Amino acid sequence: AAGVIQSPRHLIKEKRETATLKCYPIPRHDTVYWYQQGPGQDPQFLISFYEKMQSDKGSIPDRFSAQQFSDYHSELNMSSLELGDSALYFCASSLGPRTGKYTEAFFGQGTRLTVV
Amino acid sequence: AQKVTQAQTEISVVEKEDVTLDCVYETRDTTYYLFWYKQPPSGELVFLIRRNSFDEQNEISGRYSWNFQKSTSSFNFTITASQVVDSAVYFCALSDSSKNAGNMLTFGGGTRLMVKP
Repeated sequence: AAGVIQSPRHLIKEKRETATLKCYPIPRHDTVYWYQQGPGQDPQFLISFYEKMQSDKGSIPDRFSAQQFSDYHSELNMSSLELGDSALYFCASSLGPRTGKYTEAFFGQGTRLTVV
Repeated sequence: AQKVTQAQTEISVVEKEDVTLDCVYETRDTTYYLFWYKQPPSGELVFLIRRNSFDEQNEISGRYSWNFQKSTSSFNFTITASQVVDSAVYFCALSDSSKNAGNMLTFGGGTRLMVKP
């Protein structure tokens, strides 16, 4: 079965550069979620989108922005990168309340961002 | 505020032993979901189970079983006859099912399980 696809899998950027992470949800899933997992930490919720609209916002820095497109894929844009942004970034997808309730979220393999 | 506590940071067992991973949660919500995810060394997060707060029935799936006790706010996970491939970090998580984003998860700190041959 098709899973959540994230690209790139690995990314190395220098401080103050920008990065764009992409997420392609499971086919027919209309909701995407972004999480950040620092080294040795548990994943932290950043932001979510349902039907191209932001549905919830967590601890996402102002330097980050995200959007969901008409084909439901999502992009996380990160600017003025800092060393502390080095982390594993997960995207997850699910069906939204159009079906009555949110289904469970399935995660992609993550993008490992290293800021040097 | 929601909180998930996994008191066991690391557990080491020998293959074929049974092991229980503890999870205790705090929430003021009356309806919520509880989850377990597995993170193997390769890094991906693998969904294992989601349980609605209204459903206190225990669940068994192969060698995996889950014990949900609302009275003690616990959602423990047992692996029977552990195997080396079970070695991973296991996360317990909680979300407020009444919110629009039912998958805005609060994770516990994770338990690293090492199964030795």
